[in-house]
Amino acid sequence: AQSVTQLGSHVSVSEGALVLLRCNYSSSVPPYLFWYVQYPNQGLQLLLKYTSAATLVKGINGFEAEFKKSETSFHLTKPSAHMSDAAEYFCAVSGTGSYQLTFGKGTKLSVIP
Amino acid sequence: DTGVSQDPRHKITKRGQNVTFRCDPISEHNRLYWYRQTLGQGPEFLTYFQNEAQLEKSRLLSDRFSAERPKGSFSTLEIQRTEQGDSAMYLCASSLGRLAGADEQFFGPGTRLTVL
Repeated sequence: AQSVTQLGSHVSVSEGALVLLRCNYSSSVPPYLFWYVQYPNQGLQLLLKYTSAATLVKGINGFEAEFKKSETSFHLTKPSAHMSDAAEYFCAVSGTGSYQLTFGKGTKLSVIP
Repeated sequence: DTGVSQDPRHKITKRGQNVTFRCDPISEHNRLYWYRQTLGQGPEFLTYFQNEAQLEKSRLLSDRFSAERPKGSFSTLEIQRTEQGDSAMYLCASSLGRLAGADEQFFGPGTRLTVL
């Protein structure tokens, strides 16, 4: 069974500050890990994914995430927050041979001017 | 590439009525997925299709729910005898189907169902 825990349902940062959104996973098989972003009234958009290649994954809009097997973590970071980053972010996991994504509950990011 | 489209975007119905949602995937994608998202939660997997074959169903998909994908193109999700607990956003996604669990799933805008 797979699961994802996102720490913090709501994170606020100042514009220009570091963004850190936390994700821990549980998987009985080598995982594939994803971060999606959801803007109001829109579908989910993939930011980045980890598929067992490089442990540091770069995504769109300046986001990156690091896969740490020892910590079972896949935290999302961005060096400098922009107002347009305000949205809800979801971490998700799937496993080898499994096509369904298991999502965390999401973290809503607010950016303060 | 016009993306994944869903119709309708919003549906309000009375308890006990049947509703049907439609999803049009990206044209070359052979996998299609349905998820349900309730307020404050992440999307939860309901079912997925490989072409026209429905290959996996979640326990969340009660016998009041049925999904089809005739001819491996668009898909419909029908809910019979709706209940207030069915109120949610229903999301459709599609993927190329080349990378198994690593496939990128492209999501539609969702259909928001409200059951009164």
